[in-house]
Amino acid sequence: QSALTQPASVSGSPGQSITISCTGTSSDVGGYNYVSWYQQHPGKAPKLMIYEVSNRPSGVSNRFSGSKSGNTASLTISGLQAEDEADYYCNSYTRSTTWVFGGGTKLTVL
Amino acid sequence: QVQLVQSGAEVRKPGASVKLSCKASGYTFTSNHMHWVRQAPGQGLEWMGIIKPSDNYISYAQKFQGRVTMTRDTSTSTVYMELTSLRSEDTAVYYCARDFNWGCDYWGQGTLVTVSS
Repeated sequence: QSALTQPASVSGSPGQSITISCTGTSSDVGGYNYVSWYQQHPGKAPKLMIYEVSNRPSGVSNRFSGSKSGNTASLTISGLQAEDEADYYCNSYTRSTTWVFGGGTKLTVL
Repeated sequence: QVQLVQSGAEVRKPGASVKLSCKASGYTFTSNHMHWVRQAPGQGLEWMGIIKPSDNYISYAQKFQGRVTMTRDTSTSTVYMELTSLRSEDTAVYYCARDFNWGCDYWGQGTLVTVSS
């Protein structure tokens, strides 16, 4: 199972919006609505930000939103804040009854 | 409150095995699957496998098939992950994480495993 494809880095200024893409195949992202997104700050455990493509867990800011089109899922962060600077990972359930992560995207808030 | 408490750091020589534990509390242990995820230094997250405590259903990533064994003890609400034939590339922080609607909502603090001769 190959890792999902994410851009290595994205950046934005405070207040702006950014989108991180996550491209898979019809055997994972495109085949199921079981895509989740994680935020990870250095030295910390990952934090669930989005599950089932577009659902936010309790306590996660509504500045974070998720969507999917075909084999590509996306995480959008609006109203960028300094504390959003972190690594972001997508994850998908697969046809093989396994899960697979994306390679990760480093978000820099300028 | 939900807590996942993992065992402490380990150092092993190449070829050895390691068995990590993850003790769950604050919820009904058999109600949620548990994932194991690892992260090598400076690298991304890597999914290793999942265990369903209620019926011992297990699925492993193909990469680890034959080297990994996940088990659970319902009497102590603990899951275990054993990795054998360790090599330097297995040096990583290993996390257990509770499944929530095909995502992972609670994570352990991580266990650093260092493989070095």
